[in-house]
Parts: sequence; structure tokens; C-alpha cells
Amino acid sequence: QQPVQSPQAVILREGEDAVINCSSSKALYSVHWYRQKHGEAPVFLMILLKGGEQKGHEKISASFNEKKQQSSLYLTASQLSYSGTYFCGTEIKGSNYKLTFGKGTLLTVNP
Amino acid sequence: DTAVSQTPKYLVTQMGNDKSIKCEQNLGHDTMYWYKQDSKKFLKIMFSYNNKELIINETVPNRFSPKSPDKAHLNLHINSLELGDSAVYFCASSHTLGVQYFGAGTRLSVL
Repeated sequence: QQPVQSPQAVILREGEDAVINCSSSKALYSVHWYRQKHGEAPVFLMILLKGGEQKGHEKISASFNEKKQQSSLYLTASQLSYSGTYFCGTEIKGSNYKLTFGKGTLLTVNP
Repeated sequence: DTAVSQTPKYLVTQMGNDKSIKCEQNLGHDTMYWYKQDSKKFLKIMFSYNNKELIINETVPNRFSPKSPDKAHLNLHINSLELGDSAVYFCASSHTLGVQYFGAGTRLSVL
């Protein structure tokens, strides 16, 4: 039931773009995206509730394809502060709001 | 004012001991969670309470017992600690269907 994230790790130079994917084998009710910096707590980025929904947060946006049970996180013009591990959390219908997190994608942004 | 606070931040103890971790949230949320994050950064839900009622109880050894005295508090008691219990334990809270806010984590080391 754990969603699959790809890639596992990505290294960027400041200003470059990245896409992180999250896919599930189950029908999803929602997808949450979180970022965790080393030694800190995961921090919420965005939640996607409807199929095809795309949301934005500064230069970070995400899409959710309900039919394909996939979500993607788009980071454009990356900044040093974007470095961290990105987790998608998926919620299955009728799961009592339970989030199952992927293994994470380690993003490193270098100057 | 910390939204979700956990104590202690660090816990170092011997195998076989019993320990507790406390969590409090001042966000007015009705749902609280305990997560375990292992050394590979895998973030796995353990328990969830909604309005003091246990709604998620994952496959966790019964040495782990959560207790929610009221909506704002969720504690975790661990009996007979084992080496494999070493991890970072995160408390989180949310409104129903909402974003989860994580505490800073409790780093448990069992020697």
C-alpha cells in the first residue's frame, strides 16, 4: 500500500527544475506533500483532493491524476532552501484519514 | 508559541526500561497521530485518535500504548524497550481531512 516515489534522489544546481513523482496501486482520496529537512519535522507543502487538481505554493506546484493514481510535485527555479527530503502521503478512501508515506526523495540543491 | 510540542526531545535508555513521550497541540485540532521514523527515514503511522477515540491502530507491538486524556494531548508509553525501538517518534495533529502538523520529534535511543 506504500506509494512509490521516484526518483529516490536528485541533485540540482540553483535555478534548475525538478519533478518528483508519486504513484499508488490503490484508489486515492487525497495526496499530501511534505518536505523534511535534516533533523527537523516534516512540514506540509500542499494537499490535493480532486482528480486533475493542480495547486501552487510559491514556485512549487503539484498535480493529481486521480484516474492514474499518481501525483507529481514540480519545483521550478530551485533555491538552496528547497533542499530536503520530499514525502508524498496518500490517503485511501475510507481509511480514517490515514496517510501512508512514500520512502521519500532526497533533493539537494547546490549553488 | 509551539503548535505541536513533544517532550522529551531526546531519550536515551537501557533495554527493558519503560518510557513515555508526551505530546500537546494548541491548534484546536480534533485528530492526533503518532509516527515512527526509522534510520532509513521511513515515516510510518502507528496510532491516531479523533476526539479521544482510537481510530487507527497499526500493527504495532502491544508494548506501545497510546493514551489521549483530551483532544489536545496524546501520549505514548512504551514498555520493555528493545533495541529495535530506537527511532525518531513524531506526534502530529490535524483537523479531520486536513493538513497534518508535526511536532519536532523525540529521538529515542535504546542501548
